[in-house]
Amino acid sequence: EDQVTQSPEALRLQEGESSSLNCSYTVSGLRGLFWYRQDPGKGPEFLFTLYSAGEEKEKERLKATLTKKESFLHITAPKPEDSATYLCAVQAYEASGSRLTFGEGTQLTVNP
Amino acid sequence: ETGVTQTPRHLVMGMTNKKSLKCEQHLGHNAMYWYKQSAKKPLELMFVYSLEERVENNSVPSRFSPECPNSSHLFLHLHTLQPEDSALYLCASSQELSNEQFFGPGTRLTVL
Repeated sequence: EDQVTQSPEALRLQEGESSSLNCSYTVSGLRGLFWYRQDPGKGPEFLFTLYSAGEEKEKERLKATLTKKESFLHITAPKPEDSATYLCAVQAYEASGSRLTFGEGTQLTVNP
Repeated sequence: ETGVTQTPRHLVMGMTNKKSLKCEQHLGHNAMYWYKQSAKKPLELMFVYSLEERVENNSVPSRFSPECPNSSHLFLHLHTLQPEDSALYLCASSQELSNEQFFGPGTRLTVL
């Protein structure tokens, strides 16, 4: 059974204080790992897809990295508007190719 | 309209009511999904449609009945729900089953 564990559960940062969120996973065969951002009362917003160990992707203040066991979402010099819940999900190679297994998310608060 | 839209955004219903949730995607995708998001729990995949055919039914109670009349529209018909069915119901779409999924804003459902 595929599993995703995200840590920490909640994180408070001061504006400009860089940090990282962790996503540990176990999957039979990784097709892709996805990061989403979710604001309160809204649907998840797609951020990145990573496919193989060593891959990195960047978008503004966010950088996602992938190893064979975990992914990190690095936030550099965050701003209050980066406050949200960040979700990680994995997709395994299987017949339908459609199932995403999500973690419970990390709730990030950036104080001004 | 752009992206994935869902109506209604909020719904309150009694246990004996029948209601439907509607999802429409304007992205030209060929796969659509229903998810349930409850407090403090990861997103749970409910149903998957590819090219208007159901490809996955994740052990969902029969009081939830999906319908996909074409590749742009997805419905979730609800009847005789239970209070524990109260949650945020999210629709998503993707181009092919293995690609990243794009989510709508969700319907906040409350069952009295």
